[in-house]
Amino acid sequence: RKEVEQDPGPFNVPEGATVAFNCTYSNSASQSFFWYRQDCRKEPKLLMSVYSSGNEDGRFTAQLNRASQYISLLIRDSKLSDSATYLCVVAGYSGAGSYQLTFGKGTKLSVIP
Amino acid sequence: DGGITQSPKYLFRKEGQNVTLSCEQNLNHDAMYWYRQDPGQGLRLIYYSQIVNDFQKGDIAEGYSVSREKKESFPLTVTSAQKNPTAFYLCASSISHRMNTEAFFGQGTRLTVV
Repeated sequence: RKEVEQDPGPFNVPEGATVAFNCTYSNSASQSFFWYRQDCRKEPKLLMSVYSSGNEDGRFTAQLNRASQYISLLIRDSKLSDSATYLCVVAGYSGAGSYQLTFGKGTKLSVIP
Repeated sequence: DGGITQSPKYLFRKEGQNVTLSCEQNLNHDAMYWYRQDPGQGLRLIYYSQIVNDFQKGDIAEGYSVSREKKESFPLTVTSAQKNPTAFYLCASSISHRMNTEAFFGQGTRLTVV
């Protein structure tokens, strides 16, 4: 089983639509969770951290389900500028005691006029 | 401005040559990382360093080497032993190796072997 799995998409949605991405992770000891956004041929940038109680930032809502080991990202009222690849990131301590970030392969979103 | 800087942005290398990618940060971050990204693929960890003068192999360290002589700098050398080096290389840093700390990325170096 892959450590962090995401549906690669692409998700093609019209402007104004609501779209949701899910991500599953295999390491039950994982401790921190993030969503990053990566534009074509650019570096990833932090979109938001994911907290146990769920959190919202404007049109973006992130949820964490530790029991089922999945994370979700909901985007409401999609804008053309939301078109990007969204990376799920899971972090925690490895067996050697080092803190590591593990990235999913990303889900590609295209918002269509 | 605080940030993480990678150079060069584009790099061409002949087969059989070693090449070094620069990564500098002025964020006073302890931890630094090197990732490789291939088209349509996720980020794979090459090396990471949690403190000066210490570094650890990631998932795909073969054919690469690093050093961490200064807190601000974490250069990556792609050696001739790396059989398929053409890729997008991303350097990142985080404030520490504590949990709940996110990573900040440089703009990346796109390496092409010609």
